Amino acid sequence: QVTLKESGPALVKPTQTLTLTCTLSGFSLSTSGMRASWIRQPPGKALEWLARIDWDDGKFYSTSLETRLTISKDTSKNQVVLTMTNMDPVDTATYYCAWYHGSGRFDPWGQGTLVTVSS
Amino acid sequence: QTVVTQEPSFSVSPGGTVTLTCGLSSGSVTTSYYPSWYQQTPGQAPRTLIYSTNTRSSGVPDRFSGSILGNKAALTITGAQADDESDYYCVLYMGRGISLFGGGTKLTVL
Repeated sequence: QVTLKESGPALVKPTQTLTLTCTLSGFSLSTSGMRASWIRQPPGKALEWLARIDWDDGKFYSTSLETRLTISKDTSKNQVVLTMTNMDPVDTATYYCAWYHGSGRFDPWGQGTLVTVSS
Repeated sequence: QTVVTQEPSFSVSPGGTVTLTCGLSSGSVTTSYYPSWYQQTPGQAPRTLIYSTNTRSSGVPDRFSGSILGNKAALTITGAQADDESDYYCVLYMGRGISLFGGGTKLTVL
């Protein structure tokens, strides 16, 4: 069974850097064809795709956020890490990671982790 | 900057049929964008309904179907049920590894 679980701080201060970890089980990011994405959702608002990392270390970012985002993977721990710099209250959101199969299919998703940006 | 457009809200009667659409602020949605649809209820992670235009995800009832209608992707729910009341999101693959979600449609069944 494939599962993903996000972890990270629940509260960060403005201007700080956020680091989130997605721990994968049931599939390995080192396997050819495997991809994982980060997606966020501010309270009461729409989903927003943030970034993707592939088995071959290909990395892709939202054009509107790419200067602030870094995605990486630790294959030994089967984890995907997202960092976002210069956090602002508008970045308050639930952050999800998901297995991306290609062809538009994100499945499954993690349960999400709520990050609040406040001083 | 390209925006993926969805109806903000829609209403359907129980047993009725509703079609939600997913468009682009500039241009037409084609199968090359691999339009996909997700259902989300409050407090839950999204659930995959349809991917690659019209492929139903495992366990999704066949009353959910995807298609291209004109210049948009479409999600049709036939025989709507009360528990279909949810938010629905489409996502398009924009190329170069980038995906883009629409603003979502809040579907009311009443």
